[in-house]
Amino acid sequence: EVQLVQSGAEVKKPGESLKISCKGSGYNFTNFWIGWVRQMPGKGLEWMGIVNLGDSDTRYSPSFQGQVTISADQSISTAYLQWSSLKASATAMYYCARLGSAMIGDVFDIWGQGTMVTVSS
Amino acid sequence: DILMTQSPDSLAVSLGERATIYCKSSQSVLYSSNKKNYLAWYQQKPGQPPKLLIYWASTRESGVPDRFSGSGSGTDFTLTISNLQAEDVAVYYCQQYYSIPSLFGQGTRLEIK
Repeated sequence: EVQLVQSGAEVKKPGESLKISCKGSGYNFTNFWIGWVRQMPGKGLEWMGIVNLGDSDTRYSPSFQGQVTISADQSISTAYLQWSSLKASATAMYYCARLGSAMIGDVFDIWGQGTMVTVSS
Repeated sequence: DILMTQSPDSLAVSLGERATIYCKSSQSVLYSSNKKNYLAWYQQKPGQPPKLLIYWASTRESGVPDRFSGSGSGTDFTLTISNLQAEDVAVYYCQQYYSIPSLFGQGTRLEIK
């Protein structure tokens, strides 16, 4: 079964660092890009950026460039999203998702279950 | 950035009836070389991650019931849900993937009347 499994919920204080993960299984991880999508409480979906699992090439939305770092470790089929200094405004659900094959285009065809990040003093 | 605007923001439809959701992009997402519209639709039920319904504006993802259909081209697109079922209650999002960032619409909440 093709799936993405994300790390568990996190509760952090402002200023702390955080790295959340997304592990793929059931397919050749290096052939696909993985993206991250933010969903703030009660709000819509925001495209943050994507990483190529083969060469770690990354693309960011201008809205998130410099705010987060997206990376990957091909050897363990895992993508990451990290913050160096969290703000309360980072409180949200974060989803990882796989970009589809060339046949279906750069849509997110497989989604992780989500990681809830809460930042509060 | 290509901005996506959905209408309406919310919609209430009776069981068995048709629901129609609109999505407009700020510029064309039709790629001239392959004549494909880079537009997708997703469904998000409460407490769940989104699910891909439609890509290339009108191609249903495997396993998606045929009561879901997508249409449109260029900048104007429609998601139609025929014979509405109780399990279709969800928020629906369109997304353009013509260029990065591949922004989503703000979402349309579909409820049963």
